[in-house]
Amino acid sequence: QVQLVQSGAEVKKPGSSVKVSCKASGGTFSSYGFSWVRQAPGQGLEWMGGIIPIFGTANYAQKFEGRVTITADESSSTAYMELSSLRSEDTAVYYCAGTRDWFDPWGQGTLVTVSS
Amino acid sequence: QSVLTQPPSVSGAPGQRVTISCTGSSFNIGAGYDVHWYQQLPGTAPKVLIYGNSNRPSGVPDRFSGSKSGTSASLAITGLQAEDEADYFCQSYDSSLSGWVFGGGTKLTVL
Repeated sequence: QVQLVQSGAEVKKPGSSVKVSCKASGGTFSSYGFSWVRQAPGQGLEWMGGIIPIFGTANYAQKFEGRVTITADESSSTAYMELSSLRSEDTAVYYCAGTRDWFDPWGQGTLVTVSS
Repeated sequence: QSVLTQPPSVSGAPGQRVTISCTGSSFNIGAGYDVHWYQQLPGTAPKVLIYGNSNRPSGVPDRFSGSKSGTSASLAITGLQAEDEADYFCQSYDSSLSGWVFGGGTKLTVL
């Protein structure tokens, strides 16, 4: 069973970018799809986009198109999510998750705080 | 405003049965896309509870069950226990958005 471990919490200024990593272990990285889902404080879950490493192409939620970039490095079994032009509304916990038609497993989450 | 609609909260006494609804449209649930359910305990990542409308991953008690009909789906929890107190989310695919969508979440309180 794949386990996903994410990078640590980040504090960013408005207008800057953040890059969060998600390292997979215990399974075949390339055979999985990986998505990024975020959760603002006290709010619900929001799918941002995903990638299947073996194909290399990412697809993104319309809301984040142009502002998010999802990549994967097969050599290190790591997926990445970079979000640019950060604003205060981007303050949230960002999760990576293995993706079939459902999301499983999930990483532990990375808190990104956007504050001046 | 979430694409899938859930009640904000439900409650029940220990041992009782509760259901959580998830209402979509002809672009998602009504189009035949599967519905999946997640449980999120306070301060933790979500965990899949039901996948493919009605399938339970190994380790999930059979007190949890899922169903789907038309443009809606439901999660039923029988024999409520204190440890079931959590947030529950439904999820499906939406063809108009070309992506996965979630319900707004339902907070279950065990009285």
